[in-house]
Amino acid sequence: GAVVSQHPSRVICKSGTSVKIECRSLDFQATTMFWYRQFPKQSLMLMATSNEGSKATYEQGVEKDKFLINHASLTLSTLTVTSAHPEDSSFYICSARDALAKNIQYFGAGTRLSVL
Amino acid sequence: GEDVEQSLFLSVREGDSSVINCTYTDSSSTYLYWYKQEPGAGLQLLTYIFSNMDMKQDQRLTVLLNKKDKHLSLRIADTQTGDSAIYFCAESRGNTGKLIFGQGTTLQVKP
Repeated sequence: GAVVSQHPSRVICKSGTSVKIECRSLDFQATTMFWYRQFPKQSLMLMATSNEGSKATYEQGVEKDKFLINHASLTLSTLTVTSAHPEDSSFYICSARDALAKNIQYFGAGTRLSVL
Repeated sequence: GEDVEQSLFLSVREGDSSVINCTYTDSSSTYLYWYKQEPGAGLQLLTYIFSNMDMKQDQRLTVLLNKKDKHLSLRIADTQTGDSAIYFCAESRGNTGKLIFGQGTTLQVKP
């Protein structure tokens, strides 16, 4: 199957710093990417939909100034957690929707963010 | 209540069949999916079914869809210890591509 590369896999940072997470589709083009957050032993919560060349669409309750999303190319979307605080510690997962097979989404391996 | 519901835990013996169930509420769902998540990892797409299909089989995996009852199941034949993971069902609505996930079913396979 198609591969979505997500980096870094693990990051530990101090409170107040910003963290950037990258999501790349390696062998297909993705006009749409999604960012999810997953708490321990819980399901995935959709944070935002990232569309190439346009502004991201955020789900209700997700602060767009806190979680900056950029989707500058057909293969790359980034999520920046600005001024991170301990409550932002979580597992963040991206997915990419195949532009040629729009019913299929492939997921990255996730990023474990720990804010001290 | 939740849009997509799954039982939280299933335990089977190695070699037995596993059946993981899922119910959903939106009759306009276009595709339904099964994903597998191993500890600390992302989601692996196992299989999916279009809403106008009743069944789909792929090697050890069989998906059954009862659209009338809004019930989806995943059967894993000859379950192995490597199948131990969390299994999520998800539904897709319209053309947005948004997926609505269930809570996940933890499958434990005992040797």
